[in-house]
Amino acid sequence: GAGVSQSPSNKVTEKGKDVELRCDPISGHTALYWYRQSLGQGLEFLIYFQGNSAPDKSGLPSDRFSAERTGGSVSTLTIQRTQQEDSAVYLCATQTSYMTDTQYFGPGTRLTVL
Amino acid sequence: RKEVEQDPGPFNVPEGATVAFNCTYSNSASQSFFWYRQDCRKEPKLLMSVYSSGNEDGRFTAQLNRASQYISLLIRDSKLSDSATYLCVVNAGNTGGFKTIFGAGTRLFVKA
Repeated sequence: GAGVSQSPSNKVTEKGKDVELRCDPISGHTALYWYRQSLGQGLEFLIYFQGNSAPDKSGLPSDRFSAERTGGSVSTLTIQRTQQEDSAVYLCATQTSYMTDTQYFGPGTRLTVL
Repeated sequence: RKEVEQDPGPFNVPEGATVAFNCTYSNSASQSFFWYRQDCRKEPKLLMSVYSSGNEDGRFTAQLNRASQYISLLIRDSKLSDSATYLCVVNAGNTGGFKTIFGAGTRLFVKA
């Protein structure tokens, strides 16, 4: 399809395990954002990429969280040594480099840490 | 101070009511403005862009006041299906380009 895709759609893991979440942007979208949303809460900004570089990583909650983007396309968000408080929906959104453009969201990955 | 601020609500209104949401932003270099809608357990989706002259899309009217740095959304003749969280979004200029910033959202419940 032509939209933003994310995988897996659901992930259940045990506390202490590492997880990797993937985002495939819309073709040609240079900007890519990761957000986290806990149940009933607003969007929490994590990090964004412009091409392969990350101008703003200020939202990453701890050094257990990291993200990379290669080839200006696919991005992965990695959470090491997961904790129960990491349970949330992780949303990816992409957009072009034009300031007038909007963001398009993927369906999210629901992460549950037991 | 948050870069984009919204009243979290919730707003509880009867069907047919008119309801208005406001949003303020702090970065005077902000250039583009949007309202998104998020339904429960779904991803946010664009509702409408906000233009300087104000714009309307059916029952929805968006306005921008650059001098006061606020954006508004008016919903007329509310429907049950309008129940959702409404997110104010700003594309704010920064070094090297711009960054998109979401408000925390305003929850709306429309009741029969």
